[in-house]
Amino acid sequence: DAMVIQNPRYQVTQFGKPVTLSCSQTLNHNVMYWYQQKSSQAPKLLFHYYDKDFNNEADTPDNFQSRRPNTSFCFLDIRSPGLGDAAMYLCATSRDRAAETQYFGPGTRLLVL
Amino acid sequence: DQQVKQNSPSLSVQEGRISILNCDYTNSMFDYFLWYKKYPAEGPTFLISISSIKDKNEDGRFTVFLNKSAKHLSLHIVPSQPGDSAVYFCAASATGGTSYGKLTFGQGTILTVHP
Repeated sequence: DAMVIQNPRYQVTQFGKPVTLSCSQTLNHNVMYWYQQKSSQAPKLLFHYYDKDFNNEADTPDNFQSRRPNTSFCFLDIRSPGLGDAAMYLCATSRDRAAETQYFGPGTRLLVL
Repeated sequence: DQQVKQNSPSLSVQEGRISILNCDYTNSMFDYFLWYKKYPAEGPTFLISISSIKDKNEDGRFTVFLNKSAKHLSLHIVPSQPGDSAVYFCAASATGGTSYGKLTFGQGTILTVHP
């Protein structure tokens, strides 16, 4: 089945220890997104890739970075996680940007100790 | 500045009845709207969408209505089933402006369908 896959589903890291979350897709979509969702809040867009073109949201902290080595994979790097970065991180893809449905992965729950 | 609002945090409905979830938006550039369903510890699942050129879109038990003049959309689920119990998110995007290609989500409404 074509899908969006996120690994791991749960990640525990220590305060200040770099962590990488991964996302892969078999949909061959051009666009990949990373969202952060905290409890009882709406998902918040961090950044997205349109093909190889990286688009950062203005309010995304510098602590968050992303890599997209090829069409299928996209990584979220948190350089120095703080307690406030504990959240669900959602990856999504869409065929294009305009008027297109985004398809989400199951998410990675990040816990910072 | 919350551009997409779901003013009802929760909704409780009897099985077999209609569930109506509401969503309001403020950005007049939004022209594509979606509803997602989310179970705990899972990612949002796409349910149904509507373009601003339409005022209704139907898919099985799910119907989305769009009232552009009121900047309001709603999701109707008929008949409601216990398996529909989840958090429902409304989302909007635009084909131009600063919201181009980005989804802006509402806060979500928790739907509980009682047997």
